[in-house]
Amino acid sequence: NAGVTQTPKFRILKIGQSMTLQCTQDMNHNYMYWYRQDPGMGLKLIYYSVGAGITDKGEVPNGYNVSRSTTEDFPLRLELAAPSQTSVYFCASSYSYATNEKLFFGSGTQLSVL
Amino acid sequence: DAKTTQPNSMESNEEEPVHLPCNHSTISGTDYIHWYRQLPSQGPEYVIHGLTSNVNNRMASLAIAEDRKSSTLILHRATLRDAAVYYCILRGFDGSGNTGKLIFGQGTTLQVKP
Repeated sequence: NAGVTQTPKFRILKIGQSMTLQCTQDMNHNYMYWYRQDPGMGLKLIYYSVGAGITDKGEVPNGYNVSRSTTEDFPLRLELAAPSQTSVYFCASSYSYATNEKLFFGSGTQLSVL
Repeated sequence: DAKTTQPNSMESNEEEPVHLPCNHSTISGTDYIHWYRQLPSQGPEYVIHGLTSNVNNRMASLAIAEDRKSSTLILHRATLRDAAVYYCILRGFDGSGNTGKLIFGQGTTLQVKP
């Protein structure tokens, strides 16, 4: 199994551009998450999904959109990139909503908005 | 969401045990205590979790206080590869019955000296 795969690994955007960060998992997990990590800080939850067609906001959803049309994929969309969105983005997944369930993380996408 | 408090940084010598503390005085009865670690330039990886009893796995041990208001992650023999940021996280149900909001704090940066 590949686990959680994120693409691209690195990206530089100009202010106002848009892009989609891709995330796919091959573990048949229902729950998927998007986090961002600013330099020297912990992770902050952007959006999460409990299954195909169901998404909800996390701590810092402004400026982002998500969709979940399949169990495997959970893309994160930036519509009008801003310098404040410069960060490392991590996608994660877990099998269920159980509170003893562990999360599996991707290797991250480093995004710079200039 | 219940919060955790960890020291910002700790140091250890190689091949010595390391005890990483975490306070979670507002933990609820159904919250699981999870530990993740993040190696440099990588996504977080699961270490261990527990509810009430002490737990052991191949990576570490988790000691949970009897009142559950604190816990300690124990690395029995630290290696240079254990240098990472360690996050203590509570995972439970929010007011809507969901568990998706896994909130990371700033964690403890562990430095291992040769």
